Amino acid sequence: EVQLLESGGGLVQPGGSLRLSCAASRFTFSNYAMSWVRQAPGEGLEWVSSVDGGGHNTFYADSVVGRFTVSRDNSKNTLYLHINSLRAEDTALYYCAKGRGNIALPPALDSWGQGTLVTVSA
Amino acid sequence: EIVLTQSPGSLSLSPGERATLSCRASQNISGNLLAWYQQKPGQAPRLLIYGASNRATGIPDRFSGGGSGTDFTLTISRLEPEDFAVYFCQKYGVSVSTFGGGTKVDIK
Repeated sequence: EVQLLESGGGLVQPGGSLRLSCAASRFTFSNYAMSWVRQAPGEGLEWVSSVDGGGHNTFYADSVVGRFTVSRDNSKNTLYLHINSLRAEDTALYYCAKGRGNIALPPALDSWGQGTLVTVSA
Repeated sequence: EIVLTQSPGSLSLSPGERATLSCRASQNISGNLLAWYQQKPGQAPRLLIYGASNRATGIPDRFSGGGSGTDFTLTISRLEPEDFAVYFCQKYGVSVSTFGGGTKVDIK
């Protein structure tokens, strides 16, 4: 069974930075596109970013363009999300999710981690 | 960016009843690249349907997806107690993916 374990969340001040990580196991990581999806407390799902299997093609929601950077290290089976210039509205549970296949565009998501909580507050 | 509007916002039904959930897109979704997810409280979402009508691995056949173009539906033929949850649709396969706002299915 696919395993995805997020880490790196926490309490950060507005304007601060974080790096989220997602350790993947039990599948051939480099063969699949990966995504980040977030969920603010009591709210719905918001797609944040995706990256293809090779890490060459990246995609972002308009709300995070220029502030968030997605990357992956296939030698470590790890997905990252670098978050800069954090705002109160970035407060959310951030999920890492595996795509169905390695497509060059954001995929449907067939496995999800349990999320890491990012709280932006002074 | 394609906006997905889900309706109704909530649905109160009894076990054994049929549930029909709607997801309407602001633009045509080419290739029917639409997915449905189920989320229970305190849990991560679970993929139910991809490609508008294909059940994901392990999903019971009481779940079915349909539609094309701008109008899509998720149907649960006979609600089981474990089906009471929130359901989201997602447009994928485009440079900016989006989720609908969700439909909560609760017990009447």
